[in-house]
Amino acid sequence: GQQVMQIPQYQHVQEGEDFTTYCNSSTTLSNIQWYKQRPGGHPVFLIQLVKSGEVKKQKRLTFQFGEAKKNSSLHITATQTTDVGTYFCSLFGNEKLTFGTGTRLTIIP
Amino acid sequence: KAGVTQTPRYLIKTRGQQVTLSCSPISGHRSVSWYQQTPGQGLQFLFEYFSETQRNKGNFPGRFSGRQFSNSRSEMNVSTLELGDSALYLCASSAGGLIYNEQFFGPGTRLTVL
Repeated sequence: GQQVMQIPQYQHVQEGEDFTTYCNSSTTLSNIQWYKQRPGGHPVFLIQLVKSGEVKKQKRLTFQFGEAKKNSSLHITATQTTDVGTYFCSLFGNEKLTFGTGTRLTIIP
Repeated sequence: KAGVTQTPRYLIKTRGQQVTLSCSPISGHRSVSWYQQTPGQGLQFLFEYFSETQRNKGNFPGRFSGRQFSNSRSEMNVSTLELGDSALYLCASSAGGLIYNEQFFGPGTRLTVL
């Protein structure tokens, strides 16, 4: 079946440092979505990537879809305390939606 | 537009009981999907309903079932509760389904099984 690896599981950074999380699939994907869940909250949609090699930016966030459409990354430049939360990738295959294990980002002020 | 709502927000049950959770999607959304979130297993997909039909299903036992009404509201039922069913149950709605569509999540129902 489809497997999704998301690394790292945890990331502690000083405020102002950069942060990156990676999502790797065992199969070629049609698309990938990214969500953010704040502590005590629910997942909120960030972005969807569809094309091979696609790069999308949202202010300090940069999302990338691999050329082979098997991996994706989310990069945050100059983290702020508002970036705290868990970041999930999400992909559809085999008639179900699979979420990555998530990367929990904590910020040291 | 009002967001996705879930009721109840918190629930405490004992082993062997059954429970029904409710989800009201964003107006106009025909797809409702359900998820179980636990610290150990993460966010896992249960099933999706679209226009009253179950369209996709995750790898959960038959104790977990659901339905969707003509107004797109959905319910999830868990029978013969086990301790391991303690989790945050989230529902999400979207306009067109699971693929290529943004999922809007509700606040969740926190279920504790004693």
